[in-house]
Amino acid sequence: NAGVTQTPKFQVLKTGQSMTLQCAQDMNHEYMSWYRQDPGMGLRLIHYSVGAGITDQGEVPNGYNVSRSTTEDFPLRLLSAAPSQTSVYFCASSRGPRGGQFFGPGTRLTVL
Amino acid sequence: AQKITQTQPGMFVQEKEAVTLDCTYDTSDQSYGLFWYKQPSSGEMIFLIYQGSYDEQNATEGRYSLNFQKARKSANLVISASQLGDSAMYFCAMRGSGNTPLVFGKGTRLSVIA
Repeated sequence: NAGVTQTPKFQVLKTGQSMTLQCAQDMNHEYMSWYRQDPGMGLRLIHYSVGAGITDQGEVPNGYNVSRSTTEDFPLRLLSAAPSQTSVYFCASSRGPRGGQFFGPGTRLTVL
Repeated sequence: AQKITQTQPGMFVQEKEAVTLDCTYDTSDQSYGLFWYKQPSSGEMIFLIYQGSYDEQNATEGRYSLNFQKARKSANLVISASQLGDSAMYFCAMRGSGNTPLVFGKGTRLSVIA
């Protein structure tokens, strides 16, 4: 199993550009989530999904969109990048509410 | 809503000694889970240990144990016989009942000194 994969590993954007961060898991997990990590802030939840076709907002959803058309994939779209979105983004998945969450390696995004 | 508080931004411990990282939580759910993760300087998030709110025994995984005190709403991580490789950020997290996602604390940076 590859576990949770994220692409790209690094990305630099200009303000106003849009892009999609890719996340995929091959463990047939129902739960998938996107977090951002900023210095001194821990991990903050952006969006999450409890199954294909179901998504919900987390703590900091503004400026981001998600979709879950398949169990495996959970892309995160930045609509119009802003410098405040400079962060490290983690995708995670788990089998269910009691399962340990498996994290991808992260995407380091810089918005100029 | 769930909330996790980690009051120790940073800690130092001598190699081979035990260390306790504090975590308190707040929830109105009766059924919930508590998790600890390690994040080394390389950046990946590593799952360490899980404790369910109805588990009668404290969870243990090798050198990691979770000191779960339900009445105090605390879930402290104990690392025995610290090693230099234990130097990392440690995050406490919880998940409430139903379809709620994980909520994380702000973390504690542990430094192990030789």
